[in-house]
Amino acid sequence: AQSVAQPEDQVNVAEGNPLTVKCTYSVSGNPYLFWYVQYPNRGLQFLLKYITGDNLVKGSYGFEAEFNKSQTSFHLKKPSALVSDSALYFCAVRDSISSGSARQLTFGSGTQLTVLP
Amino acid sequence: DGGITQSPKYLFRKEGQNVTLSCEQNLNHDAMYWYRQDPGQGLRLIYYSQIVNDFQKGDIAEGYSVSREKKESFPLTVTSAQKNPTAFYLCASSIETGLSQPQHFGDGTRLSIL
Repeated sequence: AQSVAQPEDQVNVAEGNPLTVKCTYSVSGNPYLFWYVQYPNRGLQFLLKYITGDNLVKGSYGFEAEFNKSQTSFHLKKPSALVSDSALYFCAVRDSISSGSARQLTFGSGTQLTVLP
Repeated sequence: DGGITQSPKYLFRKEGQNVTLSCEQNLNHDAMYWYRQDPGQGLRLIYYSQIVNDFQKGDIAEGYSVSREKKESFPLTVTSAQKNPTAFYLCASSIETGLSQPQHFGDGTRLSIL
């Protein structure tokens, strides 16, 4: 079975500082990993994905994520945080060897990022 | 602009009542999904459809029903059998259900019990 964990419910960072939102996963095969962002009362917006290849993935709005197979992690990062980055962030995973409804995305519980001015 | 439209934005249900949430997409996507979002629990899959006239149960299908008569539309009915329907409901679509495809989301419907 596939699973994903976001160990921090809340992350606070000062504007201009680097930010990291953590994600770890568990799969039986190879992972397909995604990051989404959600603003209040809105749907999720896709930020980036890791399928294969380079461990550092670049996405929208200056975000990037680093895939680490040995630590089964896929942490979201940004070199310099903006107040407008404040939102709820979700990590999601699919397992390459799953079938049926198990092929669908499994989401983490979300991390609320607050960037302080 | 292409996208996913969910309506209504807010919905109130009386005891014993069925309610239907609308989801329409003009992205020409084959696959569509319904999720339920509760605070602190992430998103949980209710139903998904890979093609017209076909749909599959997700992890929490009990008390819900769907139809997929048109490629563009995937309405969700919350039946009276769903005893705890208060949640934020999100519809999504993707080009197909391939492992590498991201999903695109609508802006949700917030359902509450009167």
